[in-house]
Amino acid sequence: GEDVEQSLFLSVREGDSSVINCTYTDSSSTYLYWYKQEPGAGLQLLTYIFSNMDMKQDQRLTVLLNKKDKHLSLRIADTQTGDSAIYFCAESITGGGNKLTFGTGTQLKVEL
Amino acid sequence: EAEVAQSPRYKITEKSQAVAFWCDPISGHATLYWYRQILGQGPELLVQFQDESVVDDSQLPKDRFSAERLKGVDSTLKIQPAELGDSAMYLCASSLAGGGFDYEQYFGPGTRLTVT
Repeated sequence: GEDVEQSLFLSVREGDSSVINCTYTDSSSTYLYWYKQEPGAGLQLLTYIFSNMDMKQDQRLTVLLNKKDKHLSLRIADTQTGDSAIYFCAESITGGGNKLTFGTGTQLKVEL
Repeated sequence: EAEVAQSPRYKITEKSQAVAFWCDPISGHATLYWYRQILGQGPELLVQFQDESVVDDSQLPKDRFSAERLKGVDSTLKIQPAELGDSAMYLCASSLAGGGFDYEQYFGPGTRLTVT
């Protein structure tokens, strides 16, 4: 079955890098995603990676995928207070009709 | 910029009452999703439509929940009767149909339901 896990909480200082980790169990994943959710709001897609890629960089965001270990990470460089939010990883699987399975979310707190 | 619209944003209802949520997807998006997000958890898919047809409703509690998308555009999710455990954020998302990365899901702001 599908199961996506994340650590619950991460605190960093402004200007430092943040690394949010995610593990998944379904080896049939097609795409893996990172979403951001601010308080009381819907989800915003930050970035995604196709399952045959190891790394993707998009401005301050770097996604690393270790398919062997089923481990996904999101690195945010130069973290700002506006990055404080809950971050969800999600996967869609081949033949799954684009159904997304989300992790439990990691709350990122950026301190001055 | 086109957005997914949802209403109401907040709803308080008593248990055993009926409640309904509305979603208007981005124009031209054939696929529509309803998710439920319980506080402290990630969203869970309740139902997925392709145009007016249900593609996946395996996680929808069909004894009390119903969803429709009659003309393949906007959609309504209903709960009758509501239970305390239904308190959650209900998120609607839409995506284009097609190949490549046309499957990106765009989320609405959600409806926060509180059942008392």
